[in-house]
Amino acid sequence: GQNIDQPTEMTATEGAIVQINCTYQTSGFNGLFWYQQHAGEAPTFLSYNVLDGLEEKGRFSSFLSRSKGYSYLLLKELQMKDSASYLCAGTSGGSYIPTFGRGTSLIVHP
Amino acid sequence: EAQVTQNPRYLITVTGKKLTVTCSQNMNHEYMSWYRQDPGLGLRQIYYSMNVEVTDKGDVPEGYKVSRKEKRNFPLILESPSPNQTSLYFCASSKQTGNYGYTFGSGTRLTVV
Repeated sequence: GQNIDQPTEMTATEGAIVQINCTYQTSGFNGLFWYQQHAGEAPTFLSYNVLDGLEEKGRFSSFLSRSKGYSYLLLKELQMKDSASYLCAGTSGGSYIPTFGRGTSLIVHP
Repeated sequence: EAQVTQNPRYLITVTGKKLTVTCSQNMNHEYMSWYRQDPGLGLRQIYYSMNVEVTDKGDVPEGYKVSRKEKRNFPLILESPSPNQTSLYFCASSKQTGNYGYTFGSGTRLTVV
């Protein structure tokens, strides 16, 4: 499986922009997922990147650099409800089964 | 409504008493998986299934069993639960592995005393 690394915790201000980084092993890499998980709830799918570049979905965007083993999730116009854990998950090898990072807890304050 | 249904949501049990956590999906998904989530450790895969009668171990399979006799159901069995299996468990499914995102169940919070 993958070796996923992401920061444990981040804080940001309502209305601001925040970037959550994720690094992974490039060997055998297929693609990278981002999920959002509110406390005590199930993770929900945000994005999947397989090609280099930025993909935008409303206030959320996800970026991938395959050569650098690096991805980030960009959240714009932060809202209080964006306070959650953000999980990065990479797939590699022939099975395409994702390995999850430990998650980044984002705290949005007024 | 497309969903993954897990039961029960909460369970407190005693060491050694066999239990089953059920998981059912109504999306005709081929791939199903069980995860446990512990503070500071993230989601760790227990078992997964690529299709009916095809199951395989994930990263932390010890102390767990699964079966996939029908496409929609993927129960998780703890034959002899121990306190170190106290955790939050999630079942997930996807159309296939690859670039299909998972749909997760609501979770089962298990406490073994």
